[in-house]
Amino acid sequence: EVKLVESGGGLVQPGRSLKLSCAASGFSFNDYWMGWVRQAPGKGLEWIGEINQDSSTINYTPSLKDKFTISRDNAQNTLYLQMSKLGSEDTAIYYCARELSYWGQGVMVTVSS
Amino acid sequence: DVLMTQTPVSLPVSLGGQVSISCRSSQSLVHSDGNTYLHWYLQKPGQSPQLLIYRVSNRFSGVPDRFSGSGSGTDFTLKISRVEPEDLGVYYCLQSTHFPYTFGAGTKLELK
Repeated sequence: EVKLVESGGGLVQPGRSLKLSCAASGFSFNDYWMGWVRQAPGKGLEWIGEINQDSSTINYTPSLKDKFTISRDNAQNTLYLQMSKLGSEDTAIYYCARELSYWGQGVMVTVSS
Repeated sequence: DVLMTQTPVSLPVSLGGQVSISCRSSQSLVHSDGNTYLHWYLQKPGQSPQLLIYRVSNRFSGVPDRFSGSGSGTDFTLKISRVEPEDLGVYYCLQSTHFPYTFGAGTKLELK
């Protein structure tokens, strides 16, 4: 069974950084592209970006490219999202996804002082 | 960015009925490889989105044949027949032909 479990969310002050993790199991992690999508409270879905199997290709939505960094550790079957210079507009549920087919349950990030 | 326009925003339905959701893109979703990367998702209340249809008309694993997708170019449709209670929620279309990938704003399927 494909399982994706995000962690690392919580309350963070504006301007600070936060790193999310996504632990994968039930499939061969290093065979798949992985990505992140977020959803602000009561809003729709926003694609953040994706990373290929060996991390040689990483694509981002342009508005987040300078703030967010996607990485992965195939030995640990884990996907990461490093977020910096956080603002209130980054308050959202963050989902990791395997090739946008299987999604985790999401982790909440709240940016507030 | 490719703008994905979903209609309607809200869709009242009776159980057992049939509905259609439209998704139109601001440019063609035909990729240079010949495929069309238009997908449909359902987000049930309090849950993460789940893939229903990929590449216009292919049902994902475990998705009942009550769900069907069609369309081409810039105009796509999701049809749901014999609506059941577990079909209620918000439906999103997604294009992954052009960067950045973009979602429609969603269509809320609810009981009449």
